[in-house]
Formats: sequence, structure tokens, C-alpha cells
Amino acid sequence: NAGVTQTPKFQVLKTGQSMTLQCAQDMNHNSMYWYRQDPGMGLRLIYYSASEGTTDKGEVPNGYNVSRLNKREFSLRLESAAPSQTSVYFCASSEGGQETQYFGPGTRLLVL
Amino acid sequence: GENVEQHPSTLSVQEGDSAVIKCTYSDSASNYFPWYKQELGKGPQLIIDIRSNVGEKKDQRIAVTLNKTAKHFSLHITETQPEDSAVYFCAATDSWGKLQFGAGTQVVVTP
Repeated sequence: NAGVTQTPKFQVLKTGQSMTLQCAQDMNHNSMYWYRQDPGMGLRLIYYSASEGTTDKGEVPNGYNVSRLNKREFSLRLESAAPSQTSVYFCASSEGGQETQYFGPGTRLLVL
Repeated sequence: GENVEQHPSTLSVQEGDSAVIKCTYSDSASNYFPWYKQELGKGPQLIIDIRSNVGEKKDQRIAVTLNKTAKHFSLHITETQPEDSAVYFCAATDSWGKLQFGAGTQVVVTP
């Protein structure tokens, strides 16, 4: 039981490049989330998926897209990376909307 | 929308002393309040949570109190140990059931 896994662990991009961050959970959770964490700002929700087949915008969705591939997997895509997207990205999952969220180890992204 | 404020931003305590972190929230509909601990280079991990129908909850050296009237909740760590050193985040659900996080508190426990 690995919980929530994220790949890659670390990535360096040039401005304008694209990439997809992968997330998978093995807890049979319905809801999945993508957050970004910046110094002094806590965690901010980018997108979430309340259940398989649905996705919704969070607090800071601009510049990102998501895909809930199946119940296990939820990916985050940066189509044209910008330096402002330099951050640590965390994926999380939960049984439902007001249940405990379990976080992955994070992806550290540097955009030059 | 929900706004969660967390204080202090840094907290230095002597080993064995108590640590208290306070949070306030704005949305009166919030009913779930988790606390997360984040160690360096890792993802946040839930340490305790409380729901709006309960005023206090305790788990060994950790306790959380909730005052719905004043819209504030607090984390109390007693008999602090060096392994308690980490960043702690409070959070509250907004009207849509999504979590809004505080900015975090860096706790340093000195021997």
C-alpha cells in the first residue's frame, strides 16, 4: 500500500516548455486534488476531482489543466511553463469532500 | 470565500515546554478543521482533526480546541520533543467542502 505517489520528484523546465505531473493513489479514494506550495503562502488548490469523470477549478487554476484518467490517477499539465509556476506541487486524495486528505511526497518544479 | 489566518509564523520552544498555534477562519459554514505536520522535503501529514460538533479533541500530547462562536481553533502540543520540529498547517473547509489552508507555522524545539 503505497498511498499517494507522484512523478517526477524534481523537474527543471525552460519557459514555454510543457510537462505533465503524474499522481496515483491506491486507497480507492473518490476525490483527488492538486495543490501548489509557495513560501509563506501555505497550500493553494489548483484543481480537484470530486469523483471519477469530474474536475473543477480551485483557487489558482490559470496556466494548468488536469485529467482524471481513472479512479486511481489524476494528472496536472502545464502547457506553456512560466517562471511564476516555479513551486512545489502536491497531489492529495480523500474518500470524500470533507474527509482526511492524504498527500503525496511532492514534485519540485523549477522554471527558468 | 473562506480565509484562514494562522499565528505565529515561527515558534521556538524549549524541549519539554508547550507550543500553541492559533488559527481563525471567516466562513461560518466551515465544519471540518484538520491540522497537518510537514517535515522538510515531505508532504503534509494529518496529525489531528476536529469537526464542528466537538469543542475539544486530544491524542496523547496533541490537542485541538474549537470555538465556533469566535471562529477560531488552536493546536496544543505538550511536552515538546525535538521530533516535533516541523511546519504545522491548520485548515478549514469552505462552503463547497474544499480545504483552505493557513500559511503555516515553523516550530523549532531546542534541546
